[in-house]
Amino acid sequence: QQQVKQSPQSLIVQKGGISIINCAYENTAFDYFPWYQQFPGKGPALLIAIRPDVSEKKEGRFTISFNKSAKQFSLHIMDSQPGDSATYFCAASESGGTSYGKLTFGQGTILTVHP
Amino acid sequence: KAGVTQTPRYLIKTRGQQVTLSCSPISGHRSVSWYQQTPGQGLQFLFEYFSETQRNKGNFPGRFSGRQFSNSRSEMNVSTLELGDSALYLCASSLDPGQAPEAFFGQGTRLTVV
Repeated sequence: QQQVKQSPQSLIVQKGGISIINCAYENTAFDYFPWYQQFPGKGPALLIAIRPDVSEKKEGRFTISFNKSAKQFSLHIMDSQPGDSATYFCAASESGGTSYGKLTFGQGTILTVHP
Repeated sequence: KAGVTQTPRYLIKTRGQQVTLSCSPISGHRSVSWYQQTPGQGLQFLFEYFSETQRNKGNFPGRFSGRQFSNSRSEMNVSTLELGDSALYLCASSLDPGQAPEAFFGQGTRLTVV
């Protein structure tokens, strides 16, 4: 019940295209859903995050769509650029209970944007 | 504002040895969490410290331990190293996961056990 399932494992898009990465979760106590971007040799960097009280959040070219009833959320990268080529992780956490500080991560998606 | 600093960046240790990794959180952040990242298992939660107290622990053997100091800096220790402990160890800091869950990661310590 603690899993977060992420798909696809890898994604190749052309420059200017839209990249879409999907995640699904089981634990209904999760109430915070961040996305992280990781470049080789670096730690994950917080990209954008959403709470379940909104269905969509947009920051620049990055948008999170959230479907509470389906227990799914997705990251959309508009106008994808070669510099976006990285590994993307979705994650989830719950603020209550005893799950202090624990982020449950998806398995990651390797995004390659061709010029 | 300085980010999360982890030292050392790289370590090579022999099986059976022990190792200590260090993490300095963002100034003002009181929570530090540790994660292990491997190609096979992905990012897995080790433990979380807040105000010098361990509040949460993941499913790792007792060889993995940690502590937090009064200035919020944290260390993690792995004793009796095994080959399977080779991984990127990441720490993340946040103000307080319950109130402000945004977690910021350091660059990690790459541990290789030979």
